[in-house]
Amino acid sequence: ILNVEQSPQSLHVQEGDSTNFTCSFPSSNFYALHWYRWETAKSPEALFVMTLNGDEKKKGRISATLNTKEGYSYLYIKGSQPEDSATYLCAFTNQAGTALIFGKGTTLSVSS
Amino acid sequence: DVKVTQSSRYLVKRTGEKVFLECVQDMDHENMFWYRQDPGLGLRLIYFSYDVKMKEKGDIPEGYSVSREKKERFSLILESASTNQTSMYLCASKGRAGALEQYFGPGTRLTVT
Repeated sequence: ILNVEQSPQSLHVQEGDSTNFTCSFPSSNFYALHWYRWETAKSPEALFVMTLNGDEKKKGRISATLNTKEGYSYLYIKGSQPEDSATYLCAFTNQAGTALIFGKGTTLSVSS
Repeated sequence: DVKVTQSSRYLVKRTGEKVFLECVQDMDHENMFWYRQDPGLGLRLIYFSYDVKMKEKGDIPEGYSVSREKKERFSLILESASTNQTSMYLCASKGRAGALEQYFGPGTRLTVT
């Protein structure tokens, strides 16, 4: 059974705080790791897709790292803003599959 | 811009009704997916299709069927809706093998009473 674990389940921070979330996934037969942001009443939006061990990606104040050998990825948000409030989903694909296997998500709430 | 649309944002149906959820994508994608999202469980794959008339079961196919008669359209069918199928349903699409990113629709919140 392929399992993707995300922690924490939820997080509440103040505007301006920096924060990070963890995603752990099976390290064997790795193909790609995805991060999505899902805001209420909107479609999940792709943030990053990473395929190589050691990959680091950045989009504005958000960045992500990937360690395929130990099976984890971190998502960092620098200087959180209220508009960052969303559920952040991590998803994994292995070499056999085309479908994504999702974690349960981390719900971030940023107060002003 | 890739666009994935779903026929309804909110739907209320009665137990035993046959329910159709429609999904259309405009990017000529080969792969299409149906997920459901429940609190505390995350997104779970119901069915996917890698080509017209082709389908594969996902993790939770029981109680559902799908139809892919045209490349752009992927329908999820609840043959006889039950209350435990009350959920948020998300459709997604992806290009041919090797393409990485899945694009999601806005979701249909289905309530079965």
